[in-house]
Amino acid sequence: AQSVSQHNHHVILSEAASLELGCNYSYGGTVNLFWYVQYPGQHLQLLLKYFSGDPLVKGIKGFEAEFIKSKFSFNLRKPSVQWSDTAEYFCAVNPRSNQGGKLIFGQGTELSVKP
Amino acid sequence: DTAVSQTPKYLVTQMGNDKSIKCEQNLGHDTMYWYKQDSKKFLKIMFSYNNKELIINETVPNRFSPKSPDKAHLNLHINSLELGDSAVYFCASSRIGELFFGEGSRLTVL
Repeated sequence: AQSVSQHNHHVILSEAASLELGCNYSYGGTVNLFWYVQYPGQHLQLLLKYFSGDPLVKGIKGFEAEFIKSKFSFNLRKPSVQWSDTAEYFCAVNPRSNQGGKLIFGQGTELSVKP
Repeated sequence: DTAVSQTPKYLVTQMGNDKSIKCEQNLGHDTMYWYKQDSKKFLKIMFSYNNKELIINETVPNRFSPKSPDKAHLNLHINSLELGDSAVYFCASSRIGELFFGEGSRLTVL
């Protein structure tokens, strides 16, 4: 079955620390990849996405992610986190063969940034 | 203007009742979804409609019945509510695989 795995359930960092959140997916075909962020009490917002081309994609708020096809990974990075980055982060995969454009989400990683 | 809007935002009700959540999108997208987010924040797709036609129905109890009167609306009706239905329900619409989410409807079943 297609699945998305996020390695860390809860990450705690101090401000200015660097961030990397892992994401791996299990699907052999072509995929679209996404990272969404959910701030406390809010809905999901798109951070960045990868469809094709340069495997290093830049998103909003200084986030970036790298697609490594051979590792089925799409890790999220930020060089220096801020307190306002405290949120839940979701990796998601859309296998292009999927009817209906269904997104399969990872279980989420809670990021807590201490001021 | 809110792109994907859901009502109500909060719903508290007793077991056994029937309730509905409405969703509207003004993005002109053809595809709409309902996702359920449980207490552990896990997001799981429930239904997907494309231009009013049901295309995804993920092993959801048939107490849940989506209805799409037109491609801009996708409502969710739940019969005989159970404690386990307590969750946040997100509506979304999509363009080329990218989902745009509503603000969620938090359902609490007592």
